[in-house]
Amino acid sequence: DIQMTQSPSSLSASVGDRVTITCRASQSISSYLNWYQQKPGKAPKLLIYAASSLQSGVPSRFSGSGSGADFTLTISSLQPEDFVTYYCQQSSSTPLTFGGGTKVEIK
Amino acid sequence: EVQVVESGGGLVQPGGSLSLSCAASGFTFSSYSMNWVRQAPGKGLEWVSYISSSSSIIYYADSVKGRFTISRDNVKNSLYLQMNSLRAEDTAVYYCARAGLLAATGLYYFDYWGQGTLVTVSS
Repeated sequence: DIQMTQSPSSLSASVGDRVTITCRASQSISSYLNWYQQKPGKAPKLLIYAASSLQSGVPSRFSGSGSGADFTLTISSLQPEDFVTYYCQQSSSTPLTFGGGTKVEIK
Repeated sequence: EVQVVESGGGLVQPGGSLSLSCAASGFTFSSYSMNWVRQAPGKGLEWVSYISSSSSIIYYADSVKGRFTISRDNVKNSLYLQMNSLRAEDTAVYYCARAGLLAATGLYYFDYWGQGTLVTVSS
């Protein structure tokens, strides 16, 4: 099974900050990497697919990069609604696996 | 508007069974693969099962293999999850998620999710 490791597990930041979340796969997954945002009590929402493609309707302050085993999600300027939890997920092979999540908190 | 709505969750005793349903609308259900993903209280996301558009390909997580059965009815636009021999560790919110496909690469992603249905396994 491919293990997905996110770091950090939590971070504190302020409105307007630029933040980067890292996701590392236990083996190469090419660009088979997706990112999701989850607000408390809600279903996850797709932000980025194929490592760097922005899902329709997602603000351009979100971006993704990487290939192989190392990936990043960047939020260029944090907005109040962005202080929630983010997950990466690989779809290179089954079982499909998620990272442990990164909770972005207000400093 | 694309919608997927889960139902069927509830409280069940260890060793018991429960059947979940997911009603889809707003898209051509028979053209899309579907998944179940779960989230234990306060924990992260765990993929449970995948079924292709024609039901010809099915996958399960090892944690549910042999106990859970995924199925679909393309006439009724519905996805199902039959859960048997339930354990306390199966307690979670279960989400139905559509699998979007990037045809050029074969990459799947979960592009639409339901609101989830809570399954609690406890005596």
